[in-house]
Amino acid sequence: DIQMTQSPSSLSASVGDRVTITCRANQSISSYLNWYQQKPGKAPQLLIYAASSLQGGVPSRFSGSGSGTDFILTISSLQPEDFATYYCQQSYTTPPYSFGQGTKLEIK
Amino acid sequence: EVQVVESGGGLVQPGGSLRLSCAASGFTFSDYTLHWVRQAPGKGLEYVSAISSNGGTTYYADSVKGRFTISRDNSKNTLYLQMGSLRVEDMAVYYCARGCRIDRGSRWSHYMDVWGKGTTVTVSS
Repeated sequence: DIQMTQSPSSLSASVGDRVTITCRANQSISSYLNWYQQKPGKAPQLLIYAASSLQGGVPSRFSGSGSGTDFILTISSLQPEDFATYYCQQSYTTPPYSFGQGTKLEIK
Repeated sequence: EVQVVESGGGLVQPGGSLRLSCAASGFTFSDYTLHWVRQAPGKGLEYVSAISSNGGTTYYADSVKGRFTISRDNSKNTLYLQMGSLRVEDMAVYYCARGCRIDRGSRWSHYMDVWGKGTTVTVSS
């Protein structure tokens, strides 16, 4: 099974900060990696698919990079509405498509 | 508007059964793979199951294999999850999600672009 590990598990930052969240797979998954944002009490929302493709309607301050086993989600300038939990997910083989454990982004 | 709406959650005793539904609208239902993802209270997202667009292929997480059955009725634009032998650890919000894919050359890259608000399953005696 493919295991996904995110770091850090939680992060405090201020509005305007540049933030990076890392996701690592326990085997190569090429660029079959997606990022989701979830706010409390809400459903997840797709941010990035295929490692670096921005989903329609998602602000350009969000970007994704990486391939193989190491991936990064970057928020270039944090906005108040970005405080949420972020999950990576691999889709390298057939389902199940495992998720990382999540990174909670909090206001400093 | 493209949307999926889950229903059918509720309180069930350990060992009991429950069927969840997911009604879709605003898109051609029969063109898409569909997924179930769950989230236990205070925990992260856990992938549960998927079904191909024609219903011919199904996938399950090891944690639910043999106890849950995913199905769909393309004439009713509805996805189902039949859950049996329920355990306390199955207690969660269950989300339905539409699966999309893009051609990356060597294979398709899959992701979930439309999610429902979820339905809550409580397993307790």
